[in-house]
Amino acid sequence: QKEVEQDPGPLSVPEGAIVSLNCTYSNSAFQYFMWYRQYSRKGPELLMYTYSSGNKEDGRFTAQVDKSSKYISLFIRDSQPSDSATYLCAMTRTGANNLFFGTGTRLTVIP
Amino acid sequence: ETGVTQSPTHLIKTRGQQVTLRCSSQSGHNTVSWYQQALGQGPQFIFQYYREEENGRGNFPPRFSGLQFPNYSSELNVNALELDDSALYLCASEQGGTDTQYFGPGTRLTVL
Repeated sequence: QKEVEQDPGPLSVPEGAIVSLNCTYSNSAFQYFMWYRQYSRKGPELLMYTYSSGNKEDGRFTAQVDKSSKYISLFIRDSQPSDSATYLCAMTRTGANNLFFGTGTRLTVIP
Repeated sequence: ETGVTQSPTHLIKTRGQQVTLRCSSQSGHNTVSWYQQALGQGPQFIFQYYREEENGRGNFPPRFSGLQFPNYSSELNVNALELDDSALYLCASEQGGTDTQYFGPGTRLTVL
């Protein structure tokens, strides 16, 4: 079993829709949670960073962490065609050197 | 832009050859990590360097090796290339202890 599970999609939504992306994980020691956006042929770009449980909002993006359920989410409001990319969840724990990634969800926003 | 650069952008090698990939980190970032991203997968941790010393390694064989230099640049070396080594290789720099890694654009390696 992978430590981080993410539905690979693909996911297609019309412009303006609310998008929900999710990851589950198995290691209860994970405390730091990130969402990266990766455009085709580019490196991952950090979108959101959250420590422990709770919500964090940045513009049209909201990250949620539910440590009791080992479940994290990224919501995108008023989705735009420029949001079309692969979204990777990542997480780590205190003392770890590396990030643990999901497989990524490929999102297409249709104009 | 993250300020992390990688070269070359693309590379084609044949099985058994050796390759060196390069990364230039953000100024002041004393930690660099290398990841391998196969097509349709998330990045997998290869190793990390902190102040020019290896500081952790993922599940990769010894033919994957690295170096970090005082000028914030680093190298990933892969010997005896195998077909399965074909992937996007990413480096990520971090200011030590922040848990926030900034990725470069990657080098796409194809092994024939």
